[in-house]
Amino acid sequence: EAGVTQSPTHLIKTRGQQATLRCSPISGHTSVYWYQQALGLGLQFLLWYDEGEERNRGNFPPRFSGRQFPNYSSELNVNALELEDSALYLCASTSGKLRVRFVEQFFGPGTRLTVL
Amino acid sequence: GQQVMQIPQYQHVQEGEDFTTYCNSSTTLSNIQWYKQRPGGHPVFLIQLVKSGEVKKQKRLTFQFGEAKKNSSLHITATQTTDVGTYFCAGRPGNNRKLIWGLGTSLAVNP
Repeated sequence: EAGVTQSPTHLIKTRGQQATLRCSPISGHTSVYWYQQALGLGLQFLLWYDEGEERNRGNFPPRFSGRQFPNYSSELNVNALELEDSALYLCASTSGKLRVRFVEQFFGPGTRLTVL
Repeated sequence: GQQVMQIPQYQHVQEGEDFTTYCNSSTTLSNIQWYKQRPGGHPVFLIQLVKSGEVKKQKRLTFQFGEAKKNSSLHITATQTTDVGTYFCAGRPGNNRKLIWGLGTSLAVNP
């Protein structure tokens, strides 16, 4: 069974540009979570999509947005990039079939975004 | 808001020494998960604790969930260089599917 995949692996942008990151969850998983991991700051929750809808978002400005497609893959868009957006962006997926209490998150390898 | 505090932030040990990281939640949790992230890697699920006072072991790793379901610990006995990485706890308040993550404890092991 294929794991969570993310593309691209690395992305280099300049300040003010826009970045699009992609995530494909494990087959059968309906929930996708996006996290930002900047150096020394742990995992900061960005967005949660389930069944095509945004369920929750973390404390990030509106220029961080995304969507989930009918096949449950997801995109994270970051507009008007700032230097401090440089980080590893991780996507995780969970199954929608298990009971809510027992839902392990499976992570992808991440996209390393560098803003110059 | 809901928070999960994790301490220490960093720990440096000699190979063979023990290591413990602690998580404390501001609210009661329905369950708590532990993940390990190797340097350059992504978080990988280790275990989930659900019951009050639960203790689970995985070889040299011992996980505990407090009686009040507000705190948890991970203890590694006789650390090895393969234990190097960042250990995260993540708690789920009530039946919310959203996890509240600790900031992680980075473990370095001197051979």
